[in-house]
Amino acid sequence: DSGVTQTPKHLITATGQRVTLRCSPRSGDLSVYWYQQSLDQGLQFLIQYYNGEERAKGNILERFSAQQFPDLHSELNLSSLELGDSALYFCASTYGTGGNSPLHFGNGTRLTVT
Amino acid sequence: GENVEQHPSTLSVQEGDSAVIKCTYSDSASNYFPWYKQELGKRPQLIIDIRSNVGEKKDQRIAVTLNKTAKHFSLHITETQPEDSAVYFCAAIPGGTGFQKLVFGTGTRLLVSP
Repeated sequence: DSGVTQTPKHLITATGQRVTLRCSPRSGDLSVYWYQQSLDQGLQFLIQYYNGEERAKGNILERFSAQQFPDLHSELNLSSLELGDSALYFCASTYGTGGNSPLHFGNGTRLTVT
Repeated sequence: GENVEQHPSTLSVQEGDSAVIKCTYSDSASNYFPWYKQELGKRPQLIIDIRSNVGEKKDQRIAVTLNKTAKHFSLHITETQPEDSAVYFCAAIPGGTGFQKLVFGTGTRLLVSP
């Protein structure tokens, strides 16, 4: 167990809908990262938060947004969902902002858009 | 930016054989190289990592080697077992940055036959 908790495990919704994915980082970790993994694809970085503040953006669509709360948990909001948004969404956490401590992934949320 | 190439895309071996997965990177400033194992539908798990000040690192049946001059690094798995079957991703972080810049290879599907 990595210590990173993601809910829900599975999510099935229709096109045009909005969903929220939740992530609790490992105890003591301040940075949260969101990744998207489409079928048989690699991991694409979406966005990073550090101690409540947005630190970096990757290939995140404007329909997607995220935030990190004072208790350090993070939520990824996906709106106006399209079929192509179906993917595994992983949250990962690490202590700092650099690459000095390992990155640990949660078990992911599998989103299916029908 | 950093680009990571990974070969082969698929690798089939017999139980007990060795497996080698190779990655090349483009940014000579990259200084952290983790390897992740991902079983079907599960989270990527860090299995070993190496920093640019080290040429080789071992952990039981797994080893990673780094050639900074040639800008390539390799994962070696000895005495493979069926439970080693998974997709393996290499990754690199450009120097002076953090995991928001973590660039993944395209993955190698390893199949170990009994």
